[in-house]
Amino acid sequence: EIVLTQSPTTMAASPGEKVTITCRASSSVSYMHWFQQKSGTSPKPWIYDTSKLASGVPDRFSGSGSGTSYSLTISSMEAEDAATYYCLQRSSYPRTFGGGTKLELK
Amino acid sequence: EVQLVESGGGLVQPGRSLKLSCAASGFTFSNYYMAWVRQAPTKGLEWVASITNSGGSTYYRDSVKGRFTISRDNAKSTLYLQMDSLRSEDTATYYCTRRGYSAPFDYWGQGVMVTVSS
Repeated sequence: EIVLTQSPTTMAASPGEKVTITCRASSSVSYMHWFQQKSGTSPKPWIYDTSKLASGVPDRFSGSGSGTSYSLTISSMEAEDAATYYCLQRSSYPRTFGGGTKLELK
Repeated sequence: EVQLVESGGGLVQPGRSLKLSCAASGFTFSNYYMAWVRQAPTKGLEWVASITNSGGSTYYRDSVKGRFTISRDNAKSTLYLQMDSLRSEDTATYYCTRRGYSAPFDYWGQGVMVTVSS
């Protein structure tokens, strides 16, 4: 099983601040995918195939990485970005998610 | 508009069974792989099972293998999760999700709560 480790677990960012969330895989994966979840709602696809933005995702978000190290970056934090973000690998079964990064507005 | 609507959740005693359903609409159900993902209270997301578009192949996480069965009825555009021998650790919100052609899990249902407790 490929274990995904996200860091940090929680963080707070001020409006306009740059934010980076990392996801490290225990084995190499082809792509990394990201989801955003706000409290009490279903997850939403956010970034897929490492760097492609899902429909409706603002272009202040970006994704990058390869092999075992991936990241999600927000160029300039906005209030609506406060949420929990999860990475996902589907290179092998079982599909695995990272533990999540809770991003709060400072 | 793509819609996934789960049903069948509730409170069940340990060792008992429950069957979840997910009614799909707004797309050609038989063309897509589908999956169940769960989330225990205050915890993260956990993939449970997947099924190919024809239903010919299924995949499970180890902790549910032999207890859960994912299936589908393409004529009814409905996905199922039969859950037997339920344990307290199966307590979670269960989401039905579609595997898109490019993005994985591109649509999600609203989720259905399953509570396993005596």
